[in-house]
Amino acid sequence: NAGVTQTPKFQVLKTGQSMTLQCAQDMNHEYMSWYRQDPGMGLRLIHYSVGAGITDQGEVPNGYNVSRSTTEDFPLRLLSAAPSQTSVYFCASSRRGARRYSPLHFGNGTRLTVT
Amino acid sequence: GDSVTQMEGPVTLSEEAFLTINCTYTATGYPSLFWYVQYPGEGLQLLLKATKADDKGSNKGFEATYRKETTSFHLEKGSVQVSDSAVYFCALSDLNAGGTSYGKLTFGQGTILTVHP
Repeated sequence: NAGVTQTPKFQVLKTGQSMTLQCAQDMNHEYMSWYRQDPGMGLRLIHYSVGAGITDQGEVPNGYNVSRSTTEDFPLRLLSAAPSQTSVYFCASSRRGARRYSPLHFGNGTRLTVT
Repeated sequence: GDSVTQMEGPVTLSEEAFLTINCTYTATGYPSLFWYVQYPGEGLQLLLKATKADDKGSNKGFEATYRKETTSFHLEKGSVQVSDSAVYFCALSDLNAGGTSYGKLTFGQGTILTVHP
């Protein structure tokens, strides 16, 4: 059972370049989300999706785009990379279920460096 | 808005020592509370949860009790092992007006735990 799969594991970009971080889950989860992890700041929500065709902004959405055309996939796009986007990015998914209990399943992360 | 504050780390302990990592929160609604653990090079894994006041979550010898009166959810373990070395995150999941959380969590800053033999 693969769970949540993120690719690539590592990426180095130059300022101004664009790229897409891939995320796929095989658990048929309705909810998916992207977080960034920075030292001393924990994880912060970038964008999230409650189902195919539906996305919304999180706490730190600027500079990132998302779309969700299928239940399984939730790619994160950086349109013009900036050094401030150097971070570790995590994709997560969870099922629509009990309202008070929504544990997240995380991928292993993508470490992005922008020079 | 919602927020989670964890004790500052890093925390360094000897094997079999007692562990406490403090966590307090502010939330506009009635949140569910979680502890996640991140081992080196991996994503986060759910360690334990509590969904209402006075609930005690427990797993792998770790425990945390949902204290609504003090808005706290401190993590404890009676005897740590070297294999417990990891980063620990306290998190909350609040409900929106529709009564769902959409899987969104608010995280604390994380506490690095290192256990020496």
